[in-house]
Amino acid sequence: GENVEQHPSTLSVQEGDSAVIKCTYSDSASNYFPWYKQELGKRPQLIIDIRSNVGEKKDQRIAVTLNKTAKHFSLHITETQPEDSAVYFCAASITGNTGKLIFGQGTTLQVKP
Amino acid sequence: NAGVTQTPKFQVLKTGQSMTLQCAQDMNHNSMYWYRQDPGMGLRLIYYSASEGTTDKGEVPNGYNVSRLNKREFSLRLESAAPSQTSVYFCASSEPGWRDYGYTFGSGTRLTVV
Repeated sequence: GENVEQHPSTLSVQEGDSAVIKCTYSDSASNYFPWYKQELGKRPQLIIDIRSNVGEKKDQRIAVTLNKTAKHFSLHITETQPEDSAVYFCAASITGNTGKLIFGQGTTLQVKP
Repeated sequence: NAGVTQTPKFQVLKTGQSMTLQCAQDMNHNSMYWYRQDPGMGLRLIYYSASEGTTDKGEVPNGYNVSRLNKREFSLRLESAAPSQTSVYFCASSEPGWRDYGYTFGSGTRLTVV
């Protein structure tokens, strides 16, 4: 079955710096890769996703890149702000299937003012 | 429009007790899921239901059972709770397809087994 590895487990940056979180997946059939943000004590919320037919997607300060050959994808946050502090999860699945997502282990991002 | 509703929000059980976590969605989604979240281990899939009338095991099904009661409701049952089942449980729903593939999560159930 699918396995998703996420690194780093913790990341601390200064406000205004960029943050990068990386994930690798094992199932070459996976073609949908969402990212979720979870604030303390709250439910995970979808922040951006990418499908296998594109290599990069941007939404304001966040972007995701996908390298299907290497089976890895990354989340990039630019101009970080204290409100970006949260746990971020990557995930992978196969569209047109059951919709089940396999998640990475999570990255705790701390943005220091 | 409530989205995904989970009950209860908190629960303390003694080892060996049983309980059922309830989940209901009002978005007419076909697929529903149960995950557990433990520190450093991310969200792990316990069981899922791709459509009404079907259920399948996920990554960590041992010690759990599920029921897809109808299209709206998907319950998770612990028959004999163990301390290793102390966790935060999330229910989610989605409508797999090219247009909309995101999960909607419930607010979670924090379960402690003593």
